[in-house]
Amino acid sequence: RKEVEQDPGPFNVPEGATVAFNCTYSNSASQSFFWYRQDCRKEPKLLMSVYSSGNEDGRFTAQLNRASQYISLLIRDSKLSDSATYLCVVPKTDSWGKLQFGAGTQVVVTP
Amino acid sequence: EPEVTQTPSHQVTQMGQEVILRCVPISNHLYFYWYRQILGQKVEFLVSFYNNEISEKSEIFDDQFSVERPDGSNFTLKIRSTKLEDSAMYFCASIGEQGDYGYTFGSGTRLTVV
Repeated sequence: RKEVEQDPGPFNVPEGATVAFNCTYSNSASQSFFWYRQDCRKEPKLLMSVYSSGNEDGRFTAQLNRASQYISLLIRDSKLSDSATYLCVVPKTDSWGKLQFGAGTQVVVTP
Repeated sequence: EPEVTQTPSHQVTQMGQEVILRCVPISNHLYFYWYRQILGQKVEFLVSFYNNEISEKSEIFDDQFSVERPDGSNFTLKIRSTKLEDSAMYFCASIGEQGDYGYTFGSGTRLTVV
């Protein structure tokens, strides 16, 4: 099993719709999780951190399911500017340690 | 908002040449990292640096690679003898003591080895 696994997509989403996708991780001891957004050929930018059951920031909601070892990201009321690749990131040990990246889920929001 | 700054943004070098990629992490951060991303692939960890020494390195980070923090602000990655397969985006990142806020990545250096 890969350390961090994501559905590569693309998820084609009409503007205004809701989209959700998951990320599975292999290390049951992981305590913190991050969603990063990456635009084409740009650096990853932190979108959300998840430490307990979930986190919400505006239109974005992250949920953590420790029993099944996955985290999800839900985007409500999608905007054209939400088109990007969303990277699931899991520190190998603690928040300061090596980050393990998923390959990313591509989201394309269409007018 | 504090930024991690990387220079140059793009470097083209001939195979076998040495390159130095430069980074200025956020000033009060203590942990520093280099990651790379080959075009179309996922971001990969290279090395982490704390308290003026390497704390962890990956299999990719072989003897051709080295890191330095020469003056308390710059953080450099040197590749001694570049190979074609070193062509990638190289991202510097840093994180403060409050790890909860996640890493801040620099905008990257695109290294092209010809």
